[in-house]
Amino acid sequence: EAGVTQFPSHSVIEKGQTVTLRCDPISGHDNLYWYRRVMGKEIKFLLHFVKESKQDESGMPNNRFLAERTGGTYSTLKVQPAELEDSGVYFCASSQGRDLYNSPLHFGNGTRLTVT
Amino acid sequence: QKEVEQNSGPLSVPEGAIASLNCTYSDRGSQSFFWYRQYSGKSPELIMSIYSNGDKEDGRFTAQLNKASQYVSLLIRDSQPSDSATYLCAVNLYSSASKIIFGSGTRLSIRP
Repeated sequence: EAGVTQFPSHSVIEKGQTVTLRCDPISGHDNLYWYRRVMGKEIKFLLHFVKESKQDESGMPNNRFLAERTGGTYSTLKVQPAELEDSGVYFCASSQGRDLYNSPLHFGNGTRLTVT
Repeated sequence: QKEVEQNSGPLSVPEGAIASLNCTYSDRGSQSFFWYRQYSGKSPELIMSIYSNGDKEDGRFTAQLNKASQYVSLLIRDSQPSDSATYLCAVNLYSSASKIIFGSGTRLSIRP
């Protein structure tokens, strides 16, 4: 079984540019999550999809961030325009069910974003 | 006050000894609790989960939960150099069952 895959693994962009991160969850996992870790801080929740619907987007920092999951398969997270404080590691995770105790999260290796 | 608090470390433990990692949380309604291990540059990997008060053992790992005191701990017996990593405590908030909140992690170093 393939795990959660994320592209690219690294991205370096200039302030004001646009970057799109992609996540392919484990096949059959309806639940897809985006998290991010900025330097020195804890991993923070961004949002949660159930299939193609946004279930909880309370962690999205502002309207420069747009997440989509058309068709309920892979997801993209676009940052436009990027700011310096957006630098960090963006993790995607997926789970089969919503009860995270019985249906644990599986994380991808993350995309390291550097905004210069 | 942070929702999930951990000592950042580093915690240095000799090989073969017991490593003890601690975590406190602020939301009394929290339902379930997780320990993740993260090697540098890699993804967090779930190693233990617990929801009932008391101990839960899995191989060399034991998770301990005390809801009255709002703490959860992880014990690693017979520590190995391969256990050197950052350990993340995470909590499933009652108010949002599909979201988990992470602590900032404790860096563990096992010295030979």
